[in-house]
Amino acid sequence: QQPVQSPQAVILREGEDAVINCSSSKALYSVHWYRQKHGEAPVFLMILLKGGEQKGHDKISASFNEKKQQSSLYLTASQLSYSGTYFCGTERNSGGYQKVTFGIGTKLQVIP
Amino acid sequence: GAGVSQSPSNKVTEKGKDVELRCDPISGHTALYWYRQSLGQGLEFLIYFQGNSAPDKSGLPSDRFSAERTGGSVSTLTIQRTQQEDSAVYLCASSYGSNEQFFGPGTRLTVL
Repeated sequence: QQPVQSPQAVILREGEDAVINCSSSKALYSVHWYRQKHGEAPVFLMILLKGGEQKGHDKISASFNEKKQQSSLYLTASQLSYSGTYFCGTERNSGGYQKVTFGIGTKLQVIP
Repeated sequence: GAGVSQSPSNKVTEKGKDVELRCDPISGHTALYWYRQSLGQGLEFLIYFQGNSAPDKSGLPSDRFSAERTGGSVSTLTIQRTQQEDSAVYLCASSYGSNEQFFGPGTRLTVL
């Protein structure tokens, strides 16, 4: 089942912060975050596993609340290079390898 | 090593013709996904291969679409009797298990 992402679109000025949310109706084993820039293929950002810690690199981090089946991606002090569409992908907690299902994406535009 | 490659990069065909799109995943990756992405839209899941398990074909939009993965490596997506609504970018991705997905550059299909 496809996770729900919010907001669908957001415009930021450089230096502002943003939060993108991802929620599922099913118990999750992992949440994946990807960014796709215009005209390019999606690129992996991070995976959060059940029981794992909050992750991040540079000024992009994410959390995973297993009980609520939700994940949030935090972008702080946004840069122009952060513009793109962010997709969360979820893997159900059903044992073994499961298909990762992506949400419809959140379009982020950072302006000067 | 090389990443995921797809061929052709662009394909223009006439309505009613059949097309074959090829994906070469990263060597050793057990999972392979096909997605379709229309302009400005999200990642539409088509089909998922994982090891020797039966493929998950739940995303194929009609019986005109089929895919196979030979020897656990190369995959071919076939679209029969193409329609104009099939025009999109077709993305392939591979991963080891349900880890990070590596996306290919995509095949842009245009049906006239």
